Amino acid sequence: QLQLQESGPRLVKPSETLSLTCTVSAASISSSTSCWVWIRQTPGNGLEHIGCLYYNGNPYYNPSLKSRVTMSVDTSRDQFSLKLSSVTAADTGVYYCARHRATATDRSIDYWGQGTLVTVSS
Amino acid sequence: QTVVTQEPSLTVSPGGTVTLTCASSTGAVTSGSHASWFQQRPGQAPRSLIYNTNNKHSWTPARFSGSLLGGKAALTLSSVQPEDEAEYWCLLYSGDAWVFGGGTKLTVL
Repeated sequence: QLQLQESGPRLVKPSETLSLTCTVSAASISSSTSCWVWIRQTPGNGLEHIGCLYYNGNPYYNPSLKSRVTMSVDTSRDQFSLKLSSVTAADTGVYYCARHRATATDRSIDYWGQGTLVTVSS
Repeated sequence: QTVVTQEPSLTVSPGGTVTLTCASSTGAVTSGSHASWFQQRPGQAPRSLIYNTNNKHSWTPARFSGSLLGGKAALTLSSVQPEDEAEYWCLLYSGDAWVFGGGTKLTVL
């Protein structure tokens, strides 16, 4: 069964860059029918779709975060990553990685990581 | 950006039926909105229950069903069980963006 695991610093200083990595196991990240997604849950905004990335590097970013987000994929390690720049306290929350299916008949976000709490504080 | 609206809270009795809805600020929810529904219990990641309006995963209990109702996406729970008490989130595709609703806290009482 597909599993995803987030990793990265849990504490980030204001104005710095939040960096997280998601490791995919029991499935290949090199699937044309999967978009690898980051979702966050913050007290202020509930759940928020940050963006998703295909294995060939074609990204979709949430327009409200687009100016601060960069996502990348490493197919050799079955990992994908998130960078969110110029963070503020409003970016504090639980960050999830997940698989967003991308077929004509299946647009589900079916498998999720357990989530990692990132706090923005000096 | 699109705003997706859900009931903030609902209460249902065990064994009862309840319908949660998901509305889009841009107009009627359609099949092209690819509505999904997620269940989240405290301390856990969201779990997908319904996708593409009315499709279930292999793990989705039969008592959960999705539909379009009066221009909104809807999630109906029948024969509600105590373990169905949770937060429920909908997700829509709208204006080239994926947008979550504000969540519905379902209490089983």
